[in-house]
Amino acid sequence: ETGVTQSPTHLIKTRGQQVTLRCSSQSGHNTVSWYQQALGQGPQFIFQYYREEENGRGNFPPRFSGLQFPNYSSELNVNALELDDSALYLCASSWTSQPDTQYFGPGTRLTVL
Amino acid sequence: DQQVKQNSPSLSVQEGRISILNCDYTNSMFDYFLWYKKYPAEGPTFLISISSIKDKNEDGRFTVFLNKSAKHLSLHIVPSQPGDSAVYFCAANPGNQFYFGTGTSLTVIP
Repeated sequence: ETGVTQSPTHLIKTRGQQVTLRCSSQSGHNTVSWYQQALGQGPQFIFQYYREEENGRGNFPPRFSGLQFPNYSSELNVNALELDDSALYLCASSWTSQPDTQYFGPGTRLTVL
Repeated sequence: DQQVKQNSPSLSVQEGRISILNCDYTNSMFDYFLWYKKYPAEGPTFLISISSIKDKNEDGRFTVFLNKSAKHLSLHIVPSQPGDSAVYFCAANPGNQFYFGTGTSLTVIP
């Protein structure tokens, strides 16, 4: 049984660029959620995907978008990067409707200059 | 606006004593709560949860208490161990949303 993995570990981008972050879910999990964690804050829920469809969204603008693939891996895309997008991005996989099963990856640290 | 609040950024406790971490929420419709533990350079890991139909849930050394009228929950760790030193997050899970608090950094002193 493999855990949740994320790539890359660190990333530096400049304002206005686009970025894609990747997540490989825990084996057998069918739901993936993405979070943004700014320094000194708790994780902020971005959105959740279930069977390749968005299944819930937090208070983030449309330039944050995602994809979930048939093998349940996932991508987070952020367009038109802003300085405030600098944060740790966490993905978590779970069985849908079973939040206790949510396993987090180690995160991708994004720095926007 | 922060819907889940952890007002104590840090807590230090002697090994063997009780650690009490607190969490408040603003929305009375929230009906499911979770606690996570986070070590540096790792993602949060699930610790314990509670549904609003209960006021207490225990799992070994960890107990979560829910006071719905006060919109308050607390995590008790007894006895505290040095390996419990980590950042603890409480979270509310209404439907397909998650709201996390800002975390409390627990240090257990040997």
